[in-house]
Amino acid sequence: GAVVSQHPSRVICKSGTSVKIECRSLDFQATTMFWYRQFPKQSLMLMATSNEGSKATYEQGVEKDKFLINHASLTLSTLTVTSAHPEDSSFYICSARLGALQLNYGYTFGSGTRLTVV
Amino acid sequence: AQKVTQAQTEISVVEKEDVTLDCVYETRDTTYYLFWYKQPPSGELVFLIRRNSFDEQNEISGRYSWNFQKSTSSFNFTITASQVVDSAVYFCALRVIQGAQKLVFGQGTRLTINP
Repeated sequence: GAVVSQHPSRVICKSGTSVKIECRSLDFQATTMFWYRQFPKQSLMLMATSNEGSKATYEQGVEKDKFLINHASLTLSTLTVTSAHPEDSSFYICSARLGALQLNYGYTFGSGTRLTVV
Repeated sequence: AQKVTQAQTEISVVEKEDVTLDCVYETRDTTYYLFWYKQPPSGELVFLIRRNSFDEQNEISGRYSWNFQKSTSSFNFTITASQVVDSAVYFCALRVIQGAQKLVFGQGTRLTINP
Protein backbone atom coordinates (compact mmCIF):
# COMPACT_ATOMS: atom_id res chain seq x y z
CA GLY A 1 0.00 0.00 0.00
CA ALA A 2 0.83 3.73 -0.03
CA VAL A 3 2.22 3.90 -3.55
CA VAL A 4 3.03 7.11 -5.39
CA SER A 5 3.13 6.84 -9.16
CA GLN A 6 5.36 9.41 -10.85
CA HIS A 7 5.33 10.13 -14.59
CA PRO A 8 7.14 10.46 -16.84
CA SER A 9 10.21 8.57 -15.72
CA ARG A 10 12.35 10.25 -18.36
CA VAL A 11 11.79 13.29 -20.49
CA ILE A 12 13.92 15.18 -22.95
CA CYS A 13 12.75 18.60 -23.96
CA LYS A 14 14.02 21.55 -25.93
CA SER A 15 15.25 24.64 -24.19
CA GLY A 16 12.44 27.13 -23.69
CA THR A 17 9.63 24.61 -23.48
CA SER A 18 7.68 23.55 -20.41
CA VAL A 19 7.52 20.11 -18.87
CA LYS A 20 4.90 18.74 -16.49
CA ILE A 21 5.66 15.98 -14.00
CA GLU A 22 2.80 14.18 -12.29
CA CYS A 23 2.65 12.34 -9.01
CA ARG A 24 -0.42 10.34 -8.11
CA SER A 25 -1.13 8.59 -4.86
CA LEU A 26 -2.73 5.31 -5.89
CA ASP A 27 -4.26 3.92 -2.72
CA PHE A 28 -4.28 6.73 -0.23
CA GLN A 29 -4.93 10.44 0.04
CA ALA A 30 -1.85 12.62 0.02
CA THR A 31 -2.59 15.81 1.89
CA THR A 32 1.02 16.90 1.72
CA MET A 33 3.45 16.30 -1.12
CA PHE A 34 7.11 17.22 -1.24
CA TRP A 35 9.11 17.91 -4.40
CA TYR A 36 12.84 17.30 -4.48
CA ARG A 37 15.56 17.91 -7.02
CA GLN A 38 18.71 15.84 -7.16
CA PHE A 39 21.75 16.76 -9.22
CA PRO A 40 24.25 14.01 -10.12
CA LYS A 41 26.12 12.67 -7.13
CA GLN A 42 24.35 15.04 -4.79
CA SER A 43 21.70 14.75 -2.14
CA LEU A 44 18.00 15.40 -2.43
CA MET A 45 17.23 19.08 -2.09
CA LEU A 46 13.71 20.03 -1.11
CA MET A 47 12.21 22.45 -3.60
CA ALA A 48 8.73 22.92 -2.24
CA THR A 49 5.94 21.52 -0.13
CA SER A 50 2.47 21.33 -1.59
CA ASN A 51 -0.75 20.98 0.34
CA GLU A 52 -4.00 20.01 -1.29
CA GLY A 53 -6.10 23.04 -2.09
CA SER A 54 -3.56 25.68 -1.14
CA LYS A 55 -0.49 27.36 -2.53
CA ALA A 56 2.80 25.54 -2.36
CA THR A 57 5.52 26.62 0.04
CA TYR A 58 8.85 27.05 -1.71
CA GLU A 59 12.28 26.67 -0.17
CA GLN A 60 14.62 29.60 -0.24
CA GLY A 61 16.23 30.11 -3.61
CA VAL A 62 13.62 28.17 -5.59
CA GLU A 63 11.84 30.26 -8.21
CA LYS A 64 8.11 29.77 -7.76
CA ASP A 65 7.34 31.18 -11.20
CA LYS A 66 9.65 28.70 -12.83
CA PHE A 67 8.63 25.62 -10.88
CA LEU A 68 4.86 25.66 -10.77
CA ILE A 69 3.27 23.25 -8.34
CA ASN A 70 -0.38 22.34 -8.36
CA HIS A 71 -2.02 20.10 -5.79
CA ALA A 72 -5.62 20.31 -6.83
CA SER A 73 -6.76 17.00 -5.39
CA LEU A 74 -5.79 14.59 -2.66
CA THR A 75 -4.41 12.15 -5.20
CA LEU A 76 -2.57 14.36 -7.67
CA SER A 77 0.25 16.84 -7.43
CA THR A 78 2.06 18.26 -10.46
CA LEU A 79 5.32 20.09 -10.98
CA THR A 80 5.71 22.13 -14.15
CA VAL A 81 9.14 23.34 -15.14
CA THR A 82 8.46 26.40 -17.24
CA SER A 83 10.78 27.71 -19.93
CA ALA A 84 13.24 24.96 -19.16
CA HIS A 85 16.95 25.51 -19.67
CA PRO A 86 19.85 23.05 -19.65
CA GLU A 87 20.66 23.95 -16.04
CA ASP A 88 17.23 22.61 -15.05
CA SER A 89 18.33 19.15 -16.16
CA SER A 90 18.11 17.04 -13.04
CA PHE A 91 16.34 14.17 -11.29
CA TYR A 92 13.04 15.25 -9.76
CA ILE A 93 11.36 13.16 -7.05
CA CYS A 94 8.05 13.59 -5.31
CA SER A 95 7.22 12.29 -1.87
CA ALA A 96 4.03 12.02 0.14
CA ARG A 97 3.98 12.22 3.89
CA LEU A 98 2.01 9.39 5.37
CA GLY A 99 -0.35 9.78 8.29
CA ALA A 100 -0.45 7.97 11.59
CA LEU A 101 -2.34 5.00 10.24
CA GLN A 102 0.03 4.46 7.36
CA LEU A 103 3.50 3.08 7.81
CA ASN A 104 4.04 4.76 11.13
CA TYR A 105 4.48 8.40 10.12
CA GLY A 106 6.75 7.55 7.20
CA TYR A 107 7.01 8.80 3.67
CA THR A 108 6.55 7.23 0.29
CA PHE A 109 8.47 8.35 -2.78
CA GLY A 110 7.78 8.41 -6.47
CA SER A 111 10.24 6.65 -8.75
CA GLY A 112 11.62 9.94 -10.02
CA THR A 113 11.75 11.82 -13.32
CA ARG A 114 15.00 12.36 -15.14
CA LEU A 115 14.70 15.63 -17.04
CA THR A 116 17.16 16.50 -19.77
CA VAL A 117 16.90 19.89 -21.42
CA VAL A 118 18.71 20.19 -24.74
CA ALA B 1 18.27 24.10 12.89
CA GLN B 2 17.99 20.53 11.77
CA LYS B 3 20.94 18.99 9.99
CA VAL B 4 22.17 15.57 8.98
CA THR B 5 25.82 14.87 8.24
CA GLN B 6 27.14 11.83 6.44
CA ALA B 7 30.85 12.43 6.44
CA GLN B 8 31.69 9.47 4.22
CA THR B 9 31.15 10.51 0.63
CA GLU B 10 32.22 7.22 -0.89
CA ILE B 11 33.10 3.81 0.50
CA SER B 12 34.46 0.91 -1.47
CA VAL B 13 34.89 -2.56 0.01
CA VAL B 14 35.32 -6.09 -1.20
CA GLU B 15 32.37 -8.42 -1.09
CA LYS B 16 31.74 -10.16 2.24
CA GLU B 17 33.37 -7.40 4.24
CA ASP B 18 31.37 -5.61 6.90
CA VAL B 19 30.84 -1.90 6.37
CA THR B 20 29.45 0.86 8.57
CA LEU B 21 27.89 4.04 7.24
CA ASP B 22 27.96 6.95 9.65
CA CYS B 23 25.19 9.44 10.28
CA VAL B 24 25.27 12.35 12.72
CA TYR B 25 22.28 14.59 13.21
CA GLU B 26 21.47 17.91 14.84
CA THR B 27 18.09 18.90 16.19
CA ARG B 28 16.64 20.85 19.09
CA ASP B 29 13.49 18.75 19.11
CA THR B 30 13.04 16.26 21.93
CA THR B 31 10.87 14.08 19.71
CA TYR B 32 12.20 13.27 16.30
CA TYR B 33 12.41 10.52 13.73
CA LEU B 34 15.39 9.24 11.81
CA PHE B 35 15.37 7.30 8.57
CA TRP B 36 17.71 5.42 6.27
CA TYR B 37 17.03 5.08 2.57
CA LYS B 38 18.81 3.20 -0.19
CA GLN B 39 19.00 4.68 -3.69
CA PRO B 40 20.13 2.15 -6.31
CA PRO B 41 21.29 3.31 -9.76
CA SER B 42 17.70 3.27 -11.01
CA GLY B 43 17.03 6.25 -8.76
CA GLU B 44 14.07 5.27 -6.66
CA LEU B 45 14.38 5.60 -2.90
CA VAL B 46 13.98 2.41 -0.91
CA PHE B 47 12.92 2.74 2.70
CA LEU B 48 15.16 0.80 5.11
CA ILE B 49 14.26 1.88 8.62
CA ARG B 50 12.54 4.49 10.74
CA ARG B 51 13.55 5.15 14.33
CA ASN B 52 11.96 7.49 16.84
CA SER B 53 13.93 9.34 19.47
CA PHE B 54 12.41 7.41 22.36
CA ASP B 55 13.56 4.06 21.14
CA GLU B 56 17.29 3.56 21.51
CA GLN B 57 17.27 -0.15 20.99
CA ASN B 58 19.52 -1.29 18.24
CA GLU B 59 17.78 -2.99 15.39
CA ILE B 60 18.83 -5.89 13.22
CA SER B 61 17.20 -6.96 9.99
CA GLY B 62 19.04 -9.74 8.27
CA ARG B 63 22.47 -8.44 7.29
CA TYR B 64 21.50 -4.88 8.21
CA SER B 65 21.81 -3.38 11.66
CA TRP B 66 21.45 0.09 13.08
CA ASN B 67 23.07 1.66 16.11
CA PHE B 68 21.21 4.64 17.54
CA GLN B 69 23.16 6.65 20.13
CA LYS B 70 21.39 9.76 21.42
CA SER B 71 24.42 10.70 23.51
CA THR B 72 26.47 11.24 20.37
CA SER B 73 23.54 12.11 18.06
CA SER B 74 24.45 9.29 15.76
CA PHE B 75 22.45 6.72 13.86
CA ASN B 76 24.93 4.44 12.13
CA PHE B 77 24.12 1.69 9.69
CA THR B 78 26.11 -1.52 9.35
CA ILE B 79 25.94 -4.05 6.56
CA THR B 80 27.38 -7.43 7.50
CA ALA B 81 28.86 -9.71 4.87
CA SER B 82 28.29 -7.17 2.13
CA GLN B 83 27.12 -8.22 -1.31
CA VAL B 84 27.44 -6.62 -4.74
CA VAL B 85 23.69 -5.91 -4.69
CA ASP B 86 24.26 -3.63 -1.71
CA SER B 87 26.02 -1.16 -4.00
CA ALA B 88 23.97 2.03 -3.92
CA VAL B 89 23.82 5.49 -2.41
CA TYR B 90 22.54 5.47 1.15
CA PHE B 91 20.86 8.46 2.72
CA CYS B 92 20.22 9.19 6.36
CA ALA B 93 17.35 11.61 7.00
CA LEU B 94 15.74 13.47 9.89
CA ARG B 95 12.07 14.32 10.11
CA VAL B 96 11.32 17.88 11.15
CA ILE B 97 8.43 17.79 13.63
CA GLN B 98 7.13 21.30 13.06
CA GLY B 99 5.13 22.54 10.12
CA ALA B 100 4.86 20.25 7.14
CA GLN B 101 7.17 17.73 8.79
CA LYS B 102 9.61 17.58 5.92
CA LEU B 103 12.61 15.31 5.70
CA VAL B 104 16.11 16.70 5.89
CA PHE B 105 18.58 14.48 4.07
CA GLY B 106 22.26 13.93 4.62
CA GLN B 107 24.64 14.22 1.71
CA GLY B 108 24.55 10.51 1.07
CA THR B 109 27.23 7.82 1.04
CA ARG B 110 28.00 6.05 -2.21
CA LEU B 111 28.76 2.44 -1.34
CA THR B 112 30.49 0.21 -3.86
CA ILE B 113 30.85 -3.48 -3.17
CA ASN B 114 33.46 -5.06 -5.38
CA PRO B 115 33.34 -8.76 -6.26
